[in-house]
Amino acid sequence: NAGVTQTPKFQVLKTGQSMTLQCAQDMNHEYMSWYRQDPGMGLRLIHYSVGAGITDQGEVPNGYNVSRSTTEDFPLRLLSAAPSQTSVYFCASRGPDRRSYGYTFGSGTRLTVV
Amino acid sequence: EDKVVQSPLSLVVHEGDTVTLNCSYEVTNFRSLLWYKQEKKAPTFLFMLTSSGIEKKSGRLSSILDKKELFSILNITATQTGDSAVYLCAVDSGGSNYKLTFGKGTLLTVNP
Repeated sequence: NAGVTQTPKFQVLKTGQSMTLQCAQDMNHEYMSWYRQDPGMGLRLIHYSVGAGITDQGEVPNGYNVSRSTTEDFPLRLLSAAPSQTSVYFCASRGPDRRSYGYTFGSGTRLTVV
Repeated sequence: EDKVVQSPLSLVVHEGDTVTLNCSYEVTNFRSLLWYKQEKKAPTFLFMLTSSGIEKKSGRLSSILDKKELFSILNITATQTGDSAVYLCAVDSGGSNYKLTFGKGTLLTVNP
């Protein structure tokens, strides 16, 4: 099925560990982004990419790295996990026509840092 | 700084009731306003609004935008238990970054 695929769905990390959250889309969307969702905070933009080789910071980028080597994939790396990074992470993509129906979200990764 | 404020933050109704969810915004460069429904998992798209005064409808859900007063409402008529969810409002503030600014959401609970 076409859409945005995120892995893993759940992850528990120890403080200081690193890991990569995977995101892939098969809709040939140029724009991809990572959001985190915390209780009472809505969704906040971490990093985004407007195409392969182009990335930029969002609202809450500290502690995260991204790269975009292909149109399909946009992994999010946690360099040294901290309890403050406990959250639900969503990847989203959108086609180039901003008059289109909107963003497609992945099913999310629930991350707990202990 | 762009801001999106939703009200109420939570709402409990009975099946069959009609509800109105509110979203106000302050952004530097408005392009569109989007509504999403979130049930346990990923947000699913409901509406995109770009023009003032034009109602978007899908079944029992409808939404309208007022660009002069900087707000939007989402109406749900004849609510059902399956409408229970968090409803998110987001504004696309334009520019090359395609950034969405989200409100905190309204948690709607529909009791039988």
